This record gives sequence, structure tokens and C-alpha cells, in this order.
Amino acid sequence: SAVISQKPSRDICQRGTSLTIQCQVDSQVTMMFWYRQQPGQSLTLIATANQGSEATYESGFVIDKFPISRPNLTFSTLTVSNMSPEDSSIYLCSVGGGSSEKLFFGSGTQLSVL
Amino acid sequence: QKEVEQNSGPLSVPEGAIASLNCTYSDRGSQSFFWYRQYSGKSPELIMFIYSNGDKEDGRFTAQLNKASQYVSLLIRDSQPSDSATYLCAVRLTGNQFYFGTGTSLTVIP
Repeated sequence: SAVISQKPSRDICQRGTSLTIQCQVDSQVTMMFWYRQQPGQSLTLIATANQGSEATYESGFVIDKFPISRPNLTFSTLTVSNMSPEDSSIYLCSVGGGSSEKLFFGSGTQLSVL
Repeated sequence: QKEVEQNSGPLSVPEGAIASLNCTYSDRGSQSFFWYRQYSGKSPELIMFIYSNGDKEDGRFTAQLNKASQYVSLLIRDSQPSDSATYLCAVRLTGNQFYFGTGTSLTVIP
């Protein structure tokens, strides 16, 4: 499986600010995914990041709130904009799906918004 | 109705016992089934996957799938304290649609 690195691993942010999370993969992958895991909840897909095209967002998530970049086949960023305490969560980058079927996750970013 | 349902636990077993974790899913079109282990403060780690009805064994882990009953289980034999974690069940529909359960918390008591 690919090695997936995320930065930062955790952060504490003030309401109204933005945080950009980076995801680096050690091999080229077609699709990268961003998930959110709120306390006591299951993993929820935010969006699929495709290289060379706009990200595809799931219902309930919008580009203005969660802009995503995918400049190449090994890197993606997720920005959490205009944060509120409800955005406190673990954010996970993942790769896989498609023909490989399995999903693998990065190390995660624990975000707390005060 | 949730796509994937798990008993949240906590499930406690003594060291050396068999831990049994269960999961049901709602969509009969589900194609692949996965178990992830998640330690507190860490990201999910894939430990087992199964595609066909029956049992699949890997070391101390056995995944069981019954598509007719829409039921997936994970057995952990000879449970160790290091197995204490939250176990997430996930199903894959077509393409890249994955659905996750909320997880079952397992504690193995020395």
C-alpha cells in the first residue's frame, strides 16, 4: 500500500480562520479522497480530488467551505475555511478505490476550533 | 436507515479469548467489505477485506460474509491487549462509494 503523509497532524484554530491540510503520497495515484470523522461518528466523504479537474463534492459539502487543490498525482490540499467549532473533527486523506478497491488512509489531522 | 450498522460496544474480552465483531449493511449491491482498526488518535488501518460469501482467514483474524443475510463479521482469536481499538466496518458499492459504520470499541483485558 502507498505511504500517505498528512500535515499538520493536529491544530487548534480560532473561529473564523482557515486551515490548509496537506496530503502527500509516495506514489502516483489517480484518485484522492478527503474524509471527515466527527467524534462518535462514522467517516464521511467530503470530496474526491481528481488531478487536472475540479474536485467532486458530496452532498452537504461545498467548494467555498472546503476548497481542494490537486496539482499533481501525488499531492492534494484541503482547506477548511471560515471555521466554526462545528468543524472540529479529524480530517483524513485517503487513496485507493477504483480498480484497487481498497481504501488506505493518511495519518489524519485532528482539528479543534475554539 | 444507515448504510452500515455496528454495535458501538464497548466490547470487553479477556486476553486469549475470541472477540466477535458484527456488522450489517443495507444495500444488496455492496460488492466489497472491509474491516479497519483504529487506535485512539490514529487513522484507520485496513486489516481485512472480503469479497465472497464464506470465511477468509489471515493470522488471528477471520472475516465472515453472508450476503443473503447482509452480514459481515470479524473474529479475533487469541485476543491481545494490543488489539484494544475501535473496529470500523466498511462496504464498497460501485466505483468509489464506500460507507463506514460508526465502529465497535474493543477492550482486551489482561
